[in-house]
Amino acid sequence: DTAVSQTPKYLVTQMGNDKSIKCEQNLGHDTMYWYKQDSKKFLKIMFSYNNKELIINETVPNRFSPKSPDKAHLNLHINSLELGDSAVYFCASSRNSGTGRDEQFFGPGTRLTVL
Amino acid sequence: AQTVTQSQPEMSVQEAETVTLSCTYDTSESDYYLFWYKQPPSRQMILVIRQEAYKQQNATENRFSVNFQKAAKSFSLKISDSQLGDAAMYFCAYLVNYGGSQGNLIFGKGTKLSVKP
Repeated sequence: DTAVSQTPKYLVTQMGNDKSIKCEQNLGHDTMYWYKQDSKKFLKIMFSYNNKELIINETVPNRFSPKSPDKAHLNLHINSLELGDSAVYFCASSRNSGTGRDEQFFGPGTRLTVL
Repeated sequence: AQTVTQSQPEMSVQEAETVTLSCTYDTSESDYYLFWYKQPPSRQMILVIRQEAYKQQNATENRFSVNFQKAAKSFSLKISDSQLGDAAMYFCAYLVNYGGSQGNLIFGKGTKLSVKP
Protein backbone atom coordinates (compact mmCIF):
# COMPACT_ATOMS: atom_id res chain seq x y z
CA ASP A 1 0.00 0.00 0.00
CA THR A 2 1.24 3.48 -0.87
CA ALA A 3 1.90 5.49 2.29
CA VAL A 4 1.72 9.01 0.83
CA SER A 5 0.12 9.36 -2.59
CA GLN A 6 -0.28 12.33 -4.88
CA THR A 7 -2.44 12.86 -7.93
CA PRO A 8 -1.66 13.62 -10.61
CA LYS A 9 2.02 12.71 -11.01
CA TYR A 10 2.33 14.99 -14.04
CA LEU A 11 0.36 18.11 -14.82
CA VAL A 12 0.79 20.24 -17.93
CA THR A 13 -1.33 23.35 -18.22
CA GLN A 14 -1.52 26.81 -19.71
CA MET A 15 -0.68 30.08 -17.97
CA GLY A 16 -3.67 31.59 -16.23
CA ASN A 17 -5.40 28.31 -15.51
CA ASP A 18 -6.42 27.05 -12.06
CA LYS A 19 -5.31 23.57 -10.99
CA SER A 20 -5.29 21.33 -7.95
CA ILE A 21 -2.94 18.65 -6.67
CA LYS A 22 -4.29 16.08 -4.25
CA CYS A 23 -2.41 14.34 -1.45
CA GLU A 24 -3.50 11.47 0.75
CA GLN A 25 -1.68 9.58 3.47
CA ASN A 26 -2.74 6.27 5.01
CA LEU A 27 -0.22 6.32 7.84
CA GLY A 28 -2.54 7.83 10.43
CA HIS A 29 -0.27 10.87 10.70
CA ASP A 30 -1.42 14.16 12.16
CA THR A 31 0.81 16.56 10.23
CA MET A 32 1.06 17.10 6.47
CA TYR A 33 3.26 19.35 4.38
CA TRP A 34 3.74 20.78 0.92
CA TYR A 35 7.27 21.34 -0.38
CA LYS A 36 8.28 22.87 -3.71
CA GLN A 37 11.35 21.70 -5.66
CA ASP A 38 12.42 24.19 -8.30
CA SER A 39 14.28 23.59 -11.56
CA LYS A 40 17.61 23.69 -9.70
CA LYS A 41 16.41 20.92 -7.37
CA PHE A 42 16.12 23.26 -4.38
CA LEU A 43 13.48 22.06 -1.93
CA LYS A 44 11.57 24.50 0.23
CA ILE A 45 8.62 24.25 2.60
CA MET A 46 5.41 25.93 1.53
CA PHE A 47 2.78 24.89 4.10
CA SER A 48 2.14 22.48 6.91
CA TYR A 49 -1.09 21.43 8.57
CA ASN A 50 -1.61 19.67 11.87
CA ASN A 51 -5.01 18.04 12.35
CA LYS A 52 -6.49 20.25 9.63
CA GLU A 53 -5.05 23.41 11.18
CA LEU A 54 -2.53 25.57 9.29
CA ILE A 55 0.76 25.61 11.18
CA ILE A 56 3.35 26.85 8.72
CA ASN A 57 2.72 29.27 5.89
CA GLU A 58 5.95 30.38 4.28
CA THR A 59 6.17 33.34 1.95
CA VAL A 60 4.04 31.88 -0.78
CA PRO A 61 1.84 33.90 -3.16
CA ASN A 62 -1.79 33.84 -2.09
CA ARG A 63 -2.59 32.21 -5.43
CA PHE A 64 -1.60 29.03 -3.60
CA SER A 65 -4.24 27.79 -1.20
CA PRO A 66 -3.94 24.56 0.76
CA LYS A 67 -7.09 22.75 1.84
CA SER A 68 -7.29 20.00 4.42
CA PRO A 69 -10.74 18.33 4.43
CA ASP A 70 -9.54 15.82 7.02
CA LYS A 71 -6.22 14.91 8.55
CA ALA A 72 -5.50 12.28 5.91
CA HIS A 73 -5.75 14.74 3.02
CA LEU A 74 -3.98 17.96 2.12
CA ASN A 75 -4.73 19.38 -1.30
CA LEU A 76 -3.00 22.27 -3.01
CA HIS A 77 -4.99 24.60 -5.22
CA ILE A 78 -3.19 27.07 -7.46
CA ASN A 79 -5.00 29.98 -9.13
CA SER A 80 -3.87 31.93 -12.18
CA LEU A 81 -0.86 29.73 -12.88
CA GLU A 82 2.36 31.47 -13.92
CA LEU A 83 5.43 30.17 -15.74
CA GLY A 84 7.42 30.38 -12.48
CA ASP A 85 5.08 27.91 -10.82
CA SER A 86 6.61 25.13 -12.91
CA ALA A 87 8.25 22.82 -10.39
CA VAL A 88 7.89 19.50 -8.62
CA TYR A 89 5.54 19.65 -5.65
CA PHE A 90 5.99 17.14 -2.85
CA CYS A 91 3.50 16.25 -0.20
CA ALA A 92 4.82 14.76 3.05
CA SER A 93 3.38 13.61 6.36
CA SER A 94 4.59 12.86 9.87
CA ARG A 95 3.34 11.91 13.27
CA ASN A 96 3.11 14.63 15.85
CA SER A 97 4.46 12.98 18.98
CA GLY A 98 4.90 16.30 20.72
CA THR A 99 8.66 16.15 20.44
CA GLY A 100 8.87 17.99 17.14
CA ARG A 101 11.24 15.27 15.98
CA ASP A 102 9.14 12.94 13.89
CA GLU A 103 10.30 11.59 10.55
CA GLN A 104 8.62 12.93 7.44
CA PHE A 105 7.44 10.56 4.71
CA PHE A 106 7.28 11.95 1.20
CA GLY A 107 4.91 11.33 -1.66
CA PRO A 108 6.19 10.66 -5.20
CA GLY A 109 5.91 14.30 -6.25
CA THR A 110 3.83 16.07 -8.89
CA ARG A 111 5.68 17.65 -11.80
CA LEU A 112 3.78 20.78 -12.80
CA THR A 113 4.63 22.37 -16.14
CA VAL A 114 3.08 25.70 -17.02
CA LEU A 115 3.24 26.64 -20.71
CA ALA B 1 17.29 31.29 11.10
CA GLN B 2 18.77 27.92 10.40
CA THR B 3 20.68 27.28 7.18
CA VAL B 4 22.08 24.17 5.52
CA THR B 5 24.99 24.28 3.08
CA GLN B 6 26.19 21.57 0.74
CA SER B 7 29.34 22.81 -0.97
CA GLN B 8 29.72 19.99 -3.50
CA PRO B 9 27.22 20.31 -6.37
CA GLU B 10 28.53 17.08 -7.93
CA MET B 11 30.64 14.15 -6.84
CA SER B 12 31.80 11.00 -8.56
CA VAL B 13 32.90 7.65 -7.14
CA GLN B 14 34.08 4.36 -8.57
CA GLU B 15 31.91 1.35 -7.87
CA ALA B 16 32.98 -0.41 -4.62
CA GLU B 17 34.89 2.66 -3.45
CA THR B 18 34.03 5.05 -0.60
CA VAL B 19 32.78 8.60 -0.98
CA THR B 20 32.03 11.36 1.52
CA LEU B 21 29.43 14.07 0.95
CA SER B 22 29.80 17.27 2.96
CA CYS B 23 27.18 19.29 4.80
CA THR B 24 27.44 22.19 7.19
CA TYR B 25 24.61 23.93 8.98
CA ASP B 26 23.99 26.89 11.20
CA THR B 27 21.69 26.96 14.20
CA SER B 28 21.48 28.46 17.66
CA GLU B 29 19.61 25.41 18.98
CA SER B 30 21.38 22.85 21.12
CA ASP B 31 19.07 19.92 20.40
CA TYR B 32 18.02 19.14 16.85
CA TYR B 33 17.78 16.43 14.22
CA LEU B 34 19.70 16.16 10.97
CA PHE B 35 18.91 13.94 8.00
CA TRP B 36 20.30 12.77 4.71
CA TYR B 37 17.76 12.11 1.97
CA LYS B 38 18.40 10.40 -1.36
CA GLN B 39 16.51 11.37 -4.50
CA PRO B 40 17.10 8.96 -7.44
CA PRO B 41 15.92 9.80 -10.97
CA SER B 42 12.48 8.48 -10.00
CA ARG B 43 12.37 11.67 -7.81
CA GLN B 44 11.11 9.79 -4.76
CA MET B 45 12.60 11.23 -1.55
CA ILE B 46 14.13 8.40 0.47
CA LEU B 47 15.42 8.80 4.01
CA VAL B 48 18.97 7.49 4.22
CA ILE B 49 20.01 8.26 7.77
CA ARG B 50 19.21 10.52 10.71
CA GLN B 51 21.28 11.97 13.56
CA GLU B 52 20.10 13.37 16.87
CA ALA B 53 22.29 16.23 18.00
CA TYR B 54 22.40 15.18 21.64
CA LYS B 55 23.77 11.76 20.71
CA GLN B 56 27.53 11.80 20.43
CA GLN B 57 27.63 8.49 18.61
CA ASN B 58 27.58 8.78 14.83
CA ALA B 59 24.58 7.15 13.16
CA THR B 60 25.14 4.14 10.89
CA GLU B 61 22.80 2.35 8.48
CA ASN B 62 24.49 -0.53 6.66
CA ARG B 63 26.89 1.06 4.12
CA PHE B 64 25.88 4.60 5.13
CA SER B 65 27.38 6.42 8.08
CA VAL B 66 27.72 10.00 9.21
CA ASN B 67 30.52 12.03 10.72
CA PHE B 68 28.70 14.42 13.03
CA GLN B 69 30.85 17.21 14.45
CA LYS B 70 28.52 19.30 16.59
CA ALA B 71 30.99 22.02 17.52
CA ALA B 72 31.96 22.49 13.90
CA LYS B 73 28.30 22.18 12.78
CA SER B 74 29.30 19.59 10.24
CA PHE B 75 27.32 16.52 9.17
CA SER B 76 28.96 14.53 6.39
CA LEU B 77 27.67 11.33 4.83
CA LYS B 78 30.01 8.45 4.05
CA ILE B 79 28.94 5.80 1.56
CA SER B 80 31.09 2.67 1.65
CA ASP B 81 31.30 0.01 -1.07
CA SER B 82 29.43 2.29 -3.49
CA GLN B 83 26.92 0.62 -5.76
CA LEU B 84 25.42 1.73 -9.07
CA GLY B 85 22.08 2.16 -7.30
CA ASP B 86 23.59 4.81 -5.06
CA ALA B 87 23.68 7.25 -7.97
CA ALA B 88 21.25 10.02 -7.02
CA MET B 89 20.88 13.52 -5.60
CA TYR B 90 21.64 13.60 -1.90
CA PHE B 91 20.13 16.26 0.33
CA CYS B 92 21.20 17.20 3.80
CA ALA B 93 18.32 18.50 5.92
CA TYR B 94 17.74 20.14 9.29
CA LEU B 95 14.47 19.59 11.15
CA VAL B 96 13.10 22.79 12.63
CA ASN B 97 11.52 22.39 16.05
CA TYR B 98 8.66 24.72 16.92
CA GLY B 99 8.82 24.12 20.66
CA GLY B 100 7.53 20.56 20.42
CA SER B 101 5.23 21.16 17.47
CA GLN B 102 6.20 19.36 14.33
CA GLY B 103 8.38 21.59 12.20
CA ASN B 104 9.52 21.58 8.60
CA LEU B 105 12.75 20.43 7.01
CA ILE B 106 15.33 22.90 5.75
CA PHE B 107 17.28 21.40 2.88
CA GLY B 108 20.70 22.03 1.42
CA LYS B 109 20.99 22.50 -2.32
CA GLY B 110 21.96 18.90 -2.88
CA THR B 111 24.92 16.93 -4.19
CA LYS B 112 24.57 14.89 -7.36
CA LEU B 113 26.44 11.62 -6.94
CA SER B 114 27.55 9.60 -9.97
CA VAL B 115 28.82 6.05 -9.62
CA LYS B 116 31.18 4.74 -12.30
CA PRO B 117 31.23 1.02 -13.09
